[in-house]
Amino acid sequence: GAGVSQSPSNKVTEKGKDVELRCDPISGHTALYWYRQSLGQGLEFLIYFQGNSAPDKSGLPSDRFSAERTGGSVSTLTIQRTQQEDSAVYLCASSLVGLGENEQFFGPGTRLTVL
Amino acid sequence: GENVEQHPSTLSVQEGDSAVIKCTYSDSASNYFPWYKQELGKRPQLIIDIRSNVGEKKDQRIAVTLNKTAKHFSLHITETQPEDSAVYFCAASGGGSNYKLTFGKGTLLTVNP
Repeated sequence: GAGVSQSPSNKVTEKGKDVELRCDPISGHTALYWYRQSLGQGLEFLIYFQGNSAPDKSGLPSDRFSAERTGGSVSTLTIQRTQQEDSAVYLCASSLVGLGENEQFFGPGTRLTVL
Repeated sequence: GENVEQHPSTLSVQEGDSAVIKCTYSDSASNYFPWYKQELGKRPQLIIDIRSNVGEKKDQRIAVTLNKTAKHFSLHITETQPEDSAVYFCAASGGGSNYKLTFGKGTLLTVNP
């Protein structure tokens, strides 16, 4: 079946502009995660959605970052007034939880470049 | 919250040798420990995982061991091959309904032919 998809695959923007990154999780997966990966670095947790629960936003680096998950499926990560330090690969992952299954399936990522 | 430390950050081995990557975690309630492999330019993919009710798990050339008392777990790759070259991430997930994974910073493994 289809895996996690993300769009766009690449995004180049100017400093100060807003960007929206989209994630389509695997159908039926109740949990959705956003991570940021800077060049050669690890996976920095940003935000986590689980079913209808309030999202865990503890990883968002500033109030310029926000995310929504509509209808328990597609998610959008929005970065307002982008800065050069926001340049990174943004990875989305989803998992089927509730039966002890925690495996996260990652999307291909969106490479964001802020000029 | 959970904190996961991973060592070493880089590891270079000769083809055919074994490679070991170690992680420690801080939250004693964590009960799920996956390992992900990320090849250059690719997405991370799960290669093996272990739950807190077992001490060791093997899958062909890959094994993971868990010591809950010491709060550390390790990835062992035997008979390494050049295609094993990648960044490996360990992670830990808390107990109960907390499925969030906390990742280590990764180990760049290079297998030299």
